[in-house]
Amino acid sequence: QITLKESGPTLVKPTQTLTLTCTVSGFSLSTNEVGVGWIRQPPGKALEWLALIYWNDDKRYSPSLKSRLIITKDTSKNQVVLTMTNMDPVDTATYYCGRWGWDAFDIWGQGTMVTVSS
Amino acid sequence: QSVLTQPPSASGTPGQRVTISCSGSSSNIGSNYVYWYQQLPGTAPKLLIYRNNQRPSGVPDRFSGSKSGTSASLAISGLLSEDETDYYCATWDGNLSGPVFGGGTKLTVL
Repeated sequence: QITLKESGPTLVKPTQTLTLTCTVSGFSLSTNEVGVGWIRQPPGKALEWLALIYWNDDKRYSPSLKSRLIITKDTSKNQVVLTMTNMDPVDTATYYCGRWGWDAFDIWGQGTMVTVSS
Repeated sequence: QSVLTQPPSASGTPGQRVTISCSGSSSNIGSNYVYWYQQLPGTAPKLLIYRNNQRPSGVPDRFSGSKSGTSASLAISGLLSEDETDYYCATWDGNLSGPVFGGGTKLTVL
């Protein structure tokens, strides 16, 4: 059974850096053609893709957020980490990680809600 | 503002067939597969249709997808009350070098 689970702080202050971890099971981060990405969804709003890392360590970032994002993976720990700098209240959202397969996010984690507030 | 355009709402009565549209451009839908997600309240999106018209195991054949040019559609036949939720389209955008989503459509079963 393939699962992904997000973890990280539920509350961050403006200007702080957010670090989220996605722990996967049921597949390997080194499996060919597989990737893991991050997607967020502000309350009541649409999905927004943030970043994607492939099995070969190739990385893609949303152009609008690229300067603030870093995505890395630790294959031995089955984890993918997203770092987002200079957090702002508009970044308040549920953050999801998802497995990239079939050229799309085919399996998603349950999501983690992050609130940005002083 | 989302790269892909969906109607914010759609509705139908039980048993009816409804369609949800998704409009894009040559850099996204026009040259890549389209995917559809169903998101029940308070839960993560679930892949409903992949590669334009394929259903993952477990998705009822009431759900179908199609694509033509720079637009795509999700059709739901035999509408059930449990289909009342949010639906999102997605695809790859070659200009952005990443996946893009539609703004979502809230389906109401009257």
